[in-house]
Amino acid sequence: IAGITQAPTSQILAAGRRMTLRCTQDMRHNAMYWYRQDLGLGLRLIHYSNTAGTTGKGEVPDGYSVSRANTDDFPLTLASAVPSQTSVYFCASSAQHGQFSTDTQYFGPGTRLTVL
Amino acid sequence: KNQVEQSPQSLIILEGKNCTLQCNYTVSPFSNLRWYKQDTGRGPVSLTIMTFSENTKSNGRYTATLDADTKQSSLHITASQLSDSASYICVVSLARSQGNLIFGKGTKLSVKP
Repeated sequence: IAGITQAPTSQILAAGRRMTLRCTQDMRHNAMYWYRQDLGLGLRLIHYSNTAGTTGKGEVPDGYSVSRANTDDFPLTLASAVPSQTSVYFCASSAQHGQFSTDTQYFGPGTRLTVL
Repeated sequence: KNQVEQSPQSLIILEGKNCTLQCNYTVSPFSNLRWYKQDTGRGPVSLTIMTFSENTKSNGRYTATLDADTKQSSLHITASQLSDSASYICVVSLARSQGNLIFGKGTKLSVKP
């Protein structure tokens, strides 16, 4: 069982370009998440999805979009990348999402993105 | 403002020694508190999850405590090993419809031989 996979592992991107970060999980989890991790800051939620077909905005959604066409995949798109989006991006999943959920979030290995 | 503060920012200990990492939070309404371990270049891995009614939980050599009254948590590592070198992140879950997680900045632990 692979758990969560992310692609690419790393990417250098010119400002203004469009980029899609891929995330796939094989645990049949309902909830999926995208976080960014920057030096000196805690992980911050970009977007999330409670179940296939639904998405929601997190703490820092501007400049990013997501889709959840099926249970397994949750791609994150940067429509026009800017240098401030240079970060490490983590995808995560959990069985359920909700205010009293104690389900473990499983994280992918991350994508290191540099926008020049 | 919902915040999670961790201390110390970094810590160096010798192999075999014990250590305790601290987490204070001002998150409300509170749902649960989690500790994660993040190795360099990898995603975080869950160590423990505690709800309001739990005041201690263990996972091998890791023991987390929670005092919901003072809004403090600690992670105690017993008989440290070189493989314990990592960042340890305290995360508090909000009890609201979206169930957002508030992440601390982490404590970077280095275990030296």
